[in-house]
Amino acid sequence: QSVLTQPPSASGTPGQWVTISCSGSSSNIGSNTVNWYQQLPGTAPKLLIHSNSQRPSGVPDRFSGSKSGTSASLAISGLQSEDEADYYCAAWDDSLIWVFGGGTKLTVL
Amino acid sequence: EVQLVESGGGLVQPGGSLRLSCAASGFTFSSYWMTWVRQAPGKGLEWVANIKQDGSEKYYVDSVKGRFTISRDNAKNSLYLQMNSLRAEDTAVYYCARGGSSSGWNSYWGQGTLVTVSS
Repeated sequence: QSVLTQPPSASGTPGQWVTISCSGSSSNIGSNTVNWYQQLPGTAPKLLIHSNSQRPSGVPDRFSGSKSGTSASLAISGLQSEDEADYYCAAWDDSLIWVFGGGTKLTVL
Repeated sequence: EVQLVESGGGLVQPGGSLRLSCAASGFTFSSYWMTWVRQAPGKGLEWVANIKQDGSEKYYVDSVKGRFTISRDNAKNSLYLQMNSLRAEDTAVYYCARGGSSSGWNSYWGQGTLVTVSS
């Protein structure tokens, strides 16, 4: 059981806009920033969004992040086939550990 | 180019020990927190431990406290994870990642090393 809650799956057709939610509590998302990671099949995770909404260089602006209260969201606009991957949210918890969401498998139909 | 290369994984019996290493290059290793994250087969990511630049602060997930020790050698640009009293549930791919302070993020990840705990 992950500390951060994500939907296990999401899907969309090419060109669509999809969102993935991440729900936490006052001790993690409520008081610290959220990062998002993308894991393509058979590869290591890659940083997608940090500090709630900041994109590292090289990440397309189709990806965006937001946070409100104890929840965060990852949005992908103009969905592409290469976006098919697992997505994880993560946040520091005030109990001095990092916590991850259980991951969301995104399928491009 | 930032590179993180893990090594030391393998098959070990329950109760055994293993030491993972992560060789870093392409950045000033001593300037960054470092992190170990693991992923059990077919499962999600689980943070294991992190360590401050000078090794003065270390944090662990409860399930490995007292069994795993994270350390680093800044002179050798290397991160380590000493794993003792291994259990079947420790079976996972272990990733080394740059960063991981309480206000930070893991900007680069290695390709991982597989640890299998089985008799």
